[in-house]
Amino acid sequence: TQLLEQSPQFLSIQEGENLTVYCNSSSVFSSLQWYRQEPGEGPVLLVTVVTGGEVKKLKRLTFQFGDARKDSSLHITAAQPGDTGLYLCAGASGDSWGKFQFGAGTQVVVTP
Amino acid sequence: ETGVTQTPRHLVMGMTNKKSLKCEQHLGHNAMYWYKQSAKKPLELMFVYNFKEQTENNSVPSRFSPECPNSSHLFLHLHTLQPEDSALYLCASSQEQGALHTSNQPQHFGDGTRLSIL
Repeated sequence: TQLLEQSPQFLSIQEGENLTVYCNSSSVFSSLQWYRQEPGEGPVLLVTVVTGGEVKKLKRLTFQFGDARKDSSLHITAAQPGDTGLYLCAGASGDSWGKFQFGAGTQVVVTP
Repeated sequence: ETGVTQTPRHLVMGMTNKKSLKCEQHLGHNAMYWYKQSAKKPLELMFVYNFKEQTENNSVPSRFSPECPNSSHLFLHLHTLQPEDSALYLCASSQEQGALHTSNQPQHFGDGTRLSIL
């Protein structure tokens, strides 16, 4: 079983501040995805990273995949209240077709 | 609108009741999934269907019974549930390349059914 640990579990910040959330595992993943889930809704895909060391930017969000493909981070610059949500990472390995291992998520609250 | 619709959105049932959750995807995908989401726990994959064939049953108790009549519809039949089964049940779909390929495809989730067992 590949365990994905996300930290911190909860993060509360003021609008305009920066934040980073982490997703760590002892296992190697062929790809890793980040999702955001808002209350009363299902998770929505933000990004997929597949190459070790890869960095992807989505407006104010920066995603990084570790060189060894065991960990990832999500950095948000100048957070806004609309960034509030549960951030989930999910990793896939080569021998687990269709099966993504999800972390428990980081709950981010951005207050005005 | 994610293209994946789940009904009902909320369900309260007693332990002796029988009910079904429904999922319909309008994305033309060939794979569908059931997940269980409990507070502060990772999403738990329950079942995977690829081209209507069940390819994964993640040690789910028999009181949960999936049905996939076609690539667009997925059901989860519930009977004799326990209080610990109370959770958000999420359906997802994706477009897969086939059983032998590593999946990098995004999963499109519905908004879930919030299930409460009395």
